[in-house]
Amino acid sequence: ILNVEQSPQSLHVQEGDSTNFTCSFPSSNFYALHWYRWETAKSPEALFVMTLNGDEKKKGRISATLNTKEGYSYLYIKGSQPEDSATYLCAWSSGSARQLTFGSGTQLTVLP
Amino acid sequence: SAVISQKPSRDICQRGTSLTIQCQVDSQVTMMFWYRQQPGQSLTLIATANQGSEATYESGFVIDKFPISRPNLTFSTLTVSNMSPEDSSIYLCSVDPMRAYGYTFGSGTRLTVV
Repeated sequence: ILNVEQSPQSLHVQEGDSTNFTCSFPSSNFYALHWYRWETAKSPEALFVMTLNGDEKKKGRISATLNTKEGYSYLYIKGSQPEDSATYLCAWSSGSARQLTFGSGTQLTVLP
Repeated sequence: SAVISQKPSRDICQRGTSLTIQCQVDSQVTMMFWYRQQPGQSLTLIATANQGSEATYESGFVIDKFPISRPNLTFSTLTVSNMSPEDSSIYLCSVDPMRAYGYTFGSGTRLTVV
């Protein structure tokens, strides 16, 4: 069984706060780790695809780090805004398969 | 990146009936993936649809319940057959034409079975 786990399950923060979430995944046969943002009634949107141990990627106020040896990734949001409210999904893929295994997501609510 | 048009966006269906969900991609792609998200659960892969061959189903999903068509490289359908309330979920199709940039998803079909 290949488990991808995310924590916390949900999170409420005030506008302007910085926050972070965790994704843990199998460290064996690793190929890539994806982060997606899924807003209600919209398609999941790709944020990052990370493949290298120690990799760090940034997109505006959002950044992510990757540790493939211990099997975890962090997603950081700096200065949260109400428009950041969404479910953040991480997904893992192995070297032998193209499909993704998803975590159950972290639901973020940013209060104005 | 690819753009996917998914229909219908939502539906309420009677138990025992079937619903066909369509996904149209604006470019040719080798593989299309069908996922579902049951309430409170993670996105789970149902099957991988390849053009010109039968779909590959994941453990727990069978062709009789979720028949898939892939007539060409831009289109696929998923049918949810003989529906029960447990089939109430969000169904998503996705493609990965440029794997390094992440998958592209349709907008989803929110299905409620009553």
